[in-house]
Amino acid sequence: VQLLESGGGLVQPGGSLRLSCAASGFTFSNYAMDWVRQAPGKGLEWVSGIISSDGRTYYADSVKGRFTISRDNFENTLSLQINSLRAEDTAVYYCAKRARDGHNSAADYWGQGTLVTVSS
Amino acid sequence: DIQLTQSPSFLSASVGDRVTITCRASQDVRNYFAWYQQEPGKAPKLLISAAITLESGVPSRFSGSGSGTEFTLTLSSLQPEDSATYYCQQLSTYPLTFGGGTKVEIK
Repeated sequence: VQLLESGGGLVQPGGSLRLSCAASGFTFSNYAMDWVRQAPGKGLEWVSGIISSDGRTYYADSVKGRFTISRDNFENTLSLQINSLRAEDTAVYYCAKRARDGHNSAADYWGQGTLVTVSS
Repeated sequence: DIQLTQSPSFLSASVGDRVTITCRASQDVRNYFAWYQQEPGKAPKLLISAAITLESGVPSRFSGSGSGTEFTLTLSSLQPEDSATYYCQQLSTYPLTFGGGTKVEIK
């Protein structure tokens, strides 16, 4: 299993970024996926999740309305469109594979993360 | 949202010590619960799922217990490579939430 995030960088407050996660080594369409972030020196924060079978999406309250998760089961790619960025969105963003496609399963594989820095 | 209160936030113990980390949920999460280990500069690693199930390749000195609102991660004999931060996570209800973390230091 490999998860390779990309798309992070320095962006001004109010700006946008699109994060991507290229998945390989497993049947991507069979698993739910998450984005989890970690601000510098802080703990883990679950950001968003998406179920493969029905496309249902879920968000943390802190990002609802600004972030959009999506997936392409043909390209084996998970994405996170992040808009209206704030300083508090500065974090390493991890892509994570869930143990099955559905609820209640833990994240059994993680990428190495991509850093998003929001600053003027 | 379900809050997870993890304790202690920091502990220092010697090699061979038995170490226990506790996580309390603000609502019943049944056994939809996981523990992760994160070494500095690395991605988290899943240790235990479904509250008590040890993931493949994880040393047997790690164990999980609990259900409902109180959960425990136990390291039966602390090893130098266990120096890391440990997080709990509830998987019962969206938004999913993590505990604040426990940093484990080897004396």
